[in-house]
Amino acid sequence: SYELTQPPSVSVSPGQTARITCSAETLPKQYVYWYQVRPGQAPVLVIYKDNERPSGIPERFSGSTSGTTVTLTISGVQAEDEADYYCHSTDSSGIFVFGTGTAVTVL
Amino acid sequence: QVQLVQSGAEVKKPGASVKVSCKASGYTFISYAIHWVRQAPGQGLEWMGWILAGNGNTKYSQKFQGRVSITRDTSASTTYMELNSLTSEDTALYYCARFGVPGLEYWGQGTLVTVSS
Repeated sequence: SYELTQPPSVSVSPGQTARITCSAETLPKQYVYWYQVRPGQAPVLVIYKDNERPSGIPERFSGSTSGTTVTLTISGVQAEDEADYYCHSTDSSGIFVFGTGTAVTVL
Repeated sequence: QVQLVQSGAEVKKPGASVKVSCKASGYTFISYAIHWVRQAPGQGLEWMGWILAGNGNTKYSQKFQGRVSITRDTSASTTYMELNSLTSEDTALYYCARFGVPGLEYWGQGTLVTVSS
């Protein structure tokens, strides 16, 4: 089955940059979406189609891609960015999968 | 505004089935797909499947194939997710979400399903 691999955790000081990778196991890579999940809240879309930012999402959130690896970057991390982040994508048949999730801790 | 309102919490015994509803408003129901996602306590997000509201076509995660059924009632702008043969491992918060160009942009509030004897 299709799998997306993320690092379990990332720790960063306020104002620094957090980078979260999402690696797909096979090509071709489809678009990747990123979601932020805070405890007790529904997920929030922060990046779509690898690097597009929905309206209302701060500019410090950005996405990039290189080969089969996609990266979510949070520049100038703020305390409110502490949350779990999941990538989400599909194989070529329309079956979706979430990544393993990354807990971002703001020190 | 777009809203997805889910049915209330459920408590089920092992072996039973649960059916969760997701009522959409604020947009043309048949123009989008609805996905179902769950999160068990302390675990990550898990994609279950989706339905094209327009024609009713579905796709399911291999993990749930044969045990989950996603349907819709266009007259009620409502999508349903039914999960059978419940075990304690199905205890989770279940979400519906609308999939558009930006992905899963709108989410329901979540429905807690507890499986306990």
